[in-house]
Amino acid sequence: SQKIEQNSEALNIQEGKTATLTCNYTNYSPAYLQWYRQDPGRGPVFLLLIRENEKEKRKERLKVTFDTTLKQSLFHITASQPADSATYLCALDGDYKLSFGAGTTVTVRA
Amino acid sequence: DADVTQTPRNRITKTGKRIMLECSQTKGHDRMYWYRQDPGLGLRLIYYSFDVKDINKGEISDGYSVSRQAQAKFSLSLESAIPNQTALYFCATSDSGTVGPVGYQPQHFGDGTRLSIL
Repeated sequence: SQKIEQNSEALNIQEGKTATLTCNYTNYSPAYLQWYRQDPGRGPVFLLLIRENEKEKRKERLKVTFDTTLKQSLFHITASQPADSATYLCALDGDYKLSFGAGTTVTVRA
Repeated sequence: DADVTQTPRNRITKTGKRIMLECSQTKGHDRMYWYRQDPGLGLRLIYYSFDVKDINKGEISDGYSVSRQAQAKFSLSLESAIPNQTALYFCATSDSGTVGPVGYQPQHFGDGTRLSIL
């Protein structure tokens, strides 16, 4: 069966450190992978998209990698700040829809 | 003003009632989606519509129906609500763009409706 797994545990890190989140998938062959941020009481907000033929994508302090052999994406937040505290969702494309992981909650301590 | 607006934001109702959740958008996007979010399960697609005359079932459509009244409006109905439909419901839109695949276009979400069915 198809499965998308993100870090099962919440991530607590110190301000200034790098947060690394994982997104592993099974029985998908995505051409694109997206990352979203969701704050409590709000809808998800799109952050980054990476294509299957791209190994790495950067946007400001965010970096995403996509390894289709390992069936894994890594999402890095460098020089983390308390304002980065949120839940981060990965999403894979498949036919007509995006399929979302359950998300990883990140808390950045000042 | 929000680009994707959902009403109501919160709703508490009783088993067996008919409920309608509404979504309107000002982004001019063709594609609209309804998801539900449950703790630990992620977002699951209920229905989607690629234009006004197009309605498609998602992975969990049983117990739900939708109506695409205009390009900007997409409503979700629960004909006879049951407690396991208690969840957060999100509407989203995306542009069809020059590339067809859904995965290429970001989705833009409303802030959700928190629905509780007693």
